[in-house]
Amino acid sequence: EPEVTQTPSHQVTQMGQEVILRCVPISNHLYFYWYRQILGQKVEFLVSFYNNEISEKSEIFDDQFSVERPDGSNFTLKIRSTKLEDSAMYFCASSVGGVSSGYTFGSGTRLTVV
Amino acid sequence: AQSVTQPDIHITVSEGASLELRCNYSYGATPYLFWYVQSPGQGLQLLLKYFSGDTLVQGIKGFEAEFKRSQSSFNLRKPSVHWSDAAEYFCAVGARGYQKVTFGIGTKLQVIP
Repeated sequence: EPEVTQTPSHQVTQMGQEVILRCVPISNHLYFYWYRQILGQKVEFLVSFYNNEISEKSEIFDDQFSVERPDGSNFTLKIRSTKLEDSAMYFCASSVGGVSSGYTFGSGTRLTVV
Repeated sequence: AQSVTQPDIHITVSEGASLELRCNYSYGATPYLFWYVQSPGQGLQLLLKYFSGDTLVQGIKGFEAEFKRSQSSFNLRKPSVHWSDAAEYFCAVGARGYQKVTFGIGTKLQVIP
């Protein structure tokens, strides 16, 4: 069964450093997403991406965040200058037809900012 | 804006017993509704979804859910729970025309022999 692959599974970074979280969505999917889950809290929407541009973003997704699909297979989330409160599990998801199709999630990247 | 409430944070059931996980949503129009399951160390897996039509939807792993508009509910059920069903279950709601999905806090299911 096709999978969404996320790397790395764990990342520890110092406050103020830039991090890039990587995702390989399912190859025929057209919609891509990032969600995050702070420990003990809800899974929260960050951003959706379609047709090489952001289609929606939440208030969490401020100027410190950016997304890119650099080569037609990878989908990345960059956090420019990490803060302690960015520590969370970050999930990438993809969908063939948007939210109505349901998402396929990756296993997540646990980001720890120290 | 849509929201989801899962009133039960933890539920413990005996193997072989029936299961019902509660979900209430808030949204003005007919929503998209989902149930996802997450096993430890794994991503979220889609169990089932509702968009329109038959209010009783069947999903994978023997799960079903019923959309009740009058109660703003979308409860997940399984007639006989297996030990492998122990996981965390998330109800989620989406709005037509938007890509964002809003998740509930999740219900952790423990299955005892």
